Amino acid sequence: DQQVKQNSPSLRVQEGRISILNCDYTNSMFDYFLWYKKYPAEGPTFLISISSIKDKNEDGRFTVFLNKSAKHLSLHIVPSQPGDSAVYFCAASSTGNTPLVFGKGTRLSVIA
Amino acid sequence: DGGITQSPKYLFRKEGQNVTLSCEQNLNHDAMYWYRQDPGQGLRLIYYSQIVNDFQKGDIAEGYSVSREKKESFPLTVTSAQKNPTAFYLCASSMTGSMFNQPQHFGDGTRLSIL
Repeated sequence: DQQVKQNSPSLRVQEGRISILNCDYTNSMFDYFLWYKKYPAEGPTFLISISSIKDKNEDGRFTVFLNKSAKHLSLHIVPSQPGDSAVYFCAASSTGNTPLVFGKGTRLSVIA
Repeated sequence: DGGITQSPKYLFRKEGQNVTLSCEQNLNHDAMYWYRQDPGQGLRLIYYSQIVNDFQKGDIAEGYSVSREKKESFPLTVTSAQKNPTAFYLCASSMTGSMFNQPQHFGDGTRLSIL
């Protein structure tokens, strides 16, 4: 049973517009959430995280929103750039640095 | 430069052979992890270690073994008991014991193929 779900396998966005990637989770014990970006044949790169005591965290063009009651988080990229084209993984863990649980990823394509 | 080094980048194995994937980190991280990625799948946890000389099974540990004799190193052995070993293997590390959660940092992976 998937504890972290990314229901959109792919997303196409025009350059300059907003990209919104979504993630749902089922385990109410999760309190730390991360987004990773991955290019082919490379390891994932950490992008941004949020703990359950917050509902928003911003870092440059990247913002993560957390809705605990809906068990939903989203990553907003504004403005989207062609270099943002990659697979984005959502991950979650519970307190105590337990191993991360990953979603299956969403492939973002930013079109010039 | 601090980071995680996985070697080799590509590895081929004959059926029935054991093969060991290397993972070294110089980030002074306590915890290390091994994941497997298959096409269209997320990262699935194989084994992890939070401290030297100790490790725990992840979700898909069958057919794999690990050791953690040094803080910097966490090699993964894919044994002949692993029936479908062809995959992209990722090693990661993170700090522990911190007041705040710390993200995992990943190596660039090893692609294992069966001849």
